[in-house]
Amino acid sequence: AQSVAQPEDQVNVAEGNPLTVKCTYSVSGNPYLFWYVQYPNRGLQFLLKYITGDNLVKGSYGFEAEFNKSQTSFHLKKPSALVSDSALYFCAVRDLNNDYKLSFGAGTTVTVRA
Amino acid sequence: ETGVTQSPTHLIKTRGQQVTLRCSSQSGHNTVSWYQQALGQGPQFIFQYYREEENGRGNFPPRFSGLQFPNYSSELNVNALELDDSALYLCASSSWTGTDTQYFGPGTRLTVL
Repeated sequence: AQSVAQPEDQVNVAEGNPLTVKCTYSVSGNPYLFWYVQYPNRGLQFLLKYITGDNLVKGSYGFEAEFNKSQTSFHLKKPSALVSDSALYFCAVRDLNNDYKLSFGAGTTVTVRA
Repeated sequence: ETGVTQSPTHLIKTRGQQVTLRCSSQSGHNTVSWYQQALGQGPQFIFQYYREEENGRGNFPPRFSGLQFPNYSSELNVNALELDDSALYLCASSSWTGTDTQYFGPGTRLTVL
């Protein structure tokens, strides 16, 4: 079985400050990890993914994520948040030995105040 | 390159009715996955189609069924609608390479009254 936990329902930061959204995962095989963002009444937009290699992954809109195997974490980060980053963020995992589905966390609502 | 499209955008049905949702995959993609996102929750995997066959299924009853066509587009059918079926239904397309990213459409908002 595979699962994702996003321990924070909400994250609030001031514009210009660093943003971190936390994610931990559980898989029986090798993890394939994703971050997606969802704006109100919209589908999911892909931000970045980790398959293998460098533990720091860079993605769209200045976002990056750090894979930590020992802590089974894949936290999303942005050095300087923008008001337009306010949205719902989902972490997802796929077990490379169980190829067909993504398992999502419950989501974290990010609010960036001006 | 055309992204994933879904129709209709919104739909209102009554309990017991049947509904069909449609999805056109992104150009070059041959695999379609369907997810249900209830209000305030993360998406839940319904099933995936590859080469016109169901390739995997989540914890959804048989009244949720699907099709994939030769052009890789797909349909999700739900029979005997229940109030709890009210949700955003998301379609995602990808290539069958094992590590390819799933790209999502805008979703269909289904309301069951």
